[in-house]
Amino acid sequence: AQSVTQLGSHVSVSEGALVLLRCNYSSSVPPYLFWYVQYPNQGLQLLLKYTTGATLVKGINGFEAEFKKSETSFHLTKPSAHMSDAAEYFCAVSDRDDKIIFGKGTRLHILP
Amino acid sequence: GAVVSQHPSWVICKSGTSVKIECRSLDFQATTMFWYRQFPKQSLMLMATSNEGSKATYEQGVEKDKFLINHASLTLSTLTVTSAHPEDSSFYICSARTPLGYGYTFGSGTRLTVV
Repeated sequence: AQSVTQLGSHVSVSEGALVLLRCNYSSSVPPYLFWYVQYPNQGLQLLLKYTTGATLVKGINGFEAEFKKSETSFHLTKPSAHMSDAAEYFCAVSDRDDKIIFGKGTRLHILP
Repeated sequence: GAVVSQHPSWVICKSGTSVKIECRSLDFQATTMFWYRQFPKQSLMLMATSNEGSKATYEQGVEKDKFLINHASLTLSTLTVTSAHPEDSSFYICSARTPLGYGYTFGSGTRLTVV
């Protein structure tokens, strides 16, 4: 069975600083990996996904993530944080059986 | 494209009553939809997988008689919380697999408050 671990339930960065949200996964088959963002009382918006091919995935709003099989990681980064990036971020994994398993989420705080 | 509309966005109901939440795929056909529950400041927990024209598949620990799921068409799945109680208060989110590429699109969620 697959699982996802997000390190850090809360992460604070200064505006303009690098954003790094960590995600490690466990899967018995090559996984599909996702990052979603959730704003208060809203649904989830897909930031990016990895299925096959290039391991560095670029998403919306300047975010990107790199799939590292040897480290079973899929960390999310953004070079320069913006105040509007403050939200809850979820890493998720699917082993292609149509179910997504979500991590516990990381709340990103942006300091002015 | 691949938009999922969820309605209502919030609802308050009295304890003992039933509430129906709708999830519609607006510009694509969704043979499979998923229903999640999210407690405050927690992750999404998959409740059930809804398949068009057949019975839903519930996750372990989810009461199928309390959370009735109907997927009668390729664009509509409904979740009915029956005999709601305050402990059913939560944020419910539906999702559908997108037709192109491999991904999932989510509804905007429904905040249910049972008083």
